[in-house]
Amino acid sequence: GEDVEQSLFLSVREGDSSVINCTYTDSSSTYLYWYKQEPGAGLQLLTYIFSNMDMKQDQRLTVLLNKKDKHLSLRIADTQTGDSAIYFCAESMDNFNKFYFGSGTKLNVKP
Amino acid sequence: EPEVTQTPSHQVTQMGQEVILRCVPISNHLYFYWYRQILGQKVEFLVSFYNNEISEKSEIFDDQFSVERPDGSNFTLKIRSTKLEDSAMYFCASSDGNRSGYTFGSGTRLTVV
Repeated sequence: GEDVEQSLFLSVREGDSSVINCTYTDSSSTYLYWYKQEPGAGLQLLTYIFSNMDMKQDQRLTVLLNKKDKHLSLRIADTQTGDSAIYFCAESMDNFNKFYFGSGTKLNVKP
Repeated sequence: EPEVTQTPSHQVTQMGQEVILRCVPISNHLYFYWYRQILGQKVEFLVSFYNNEISEKSEIFDDQFSVERPDGSNFTLKIRSTKLEDSAMYFCASSDGNRSGYTFGSGTRLTVV
């Protein structure tokens, strides 16, 4: 079955870049997403990438997709304390009806 | 920005009781979902709902669970005869069918004692 894996924790200093990694097993994944969850809040869509793309940039966020290795990463440039949250990787296939989520990576940004 | 609203934010119930978790999806969305996250585990798909019927459900979504869209605005998840292992954060989501992802609510934390 589908499996999405992420490392559990990442700690960086304010102003540094953060790189959050994700691996998935299903090569038929068509869409890959990054969601952010702040304490007490829901899952906020940050960005997404189609499987026919290698990279997508959106302001401070850069998503890299290595389809051969089934590896997805989210780079946050100039990380701020407000970026501290849990970041979830998710994938979906063509049926669109469900997402498969990773366990989430807790990003801690130190001042 | 439009939001998905979930109530209550926290519900405590005794084992064996029925609970109804409520969600108000974004008004022009047509696809509705429930996910759950047991503490320390992954966010898991429960069910998707479109055109007044279930379009897909997971193995978790057994006869204990049901969903309903009783009116034009609410989308509910009912859990009959709750068990201790139903304790989790339950997320509602909705979508307009655009592949740019769902909008999630803030979740309802269900604690079964």
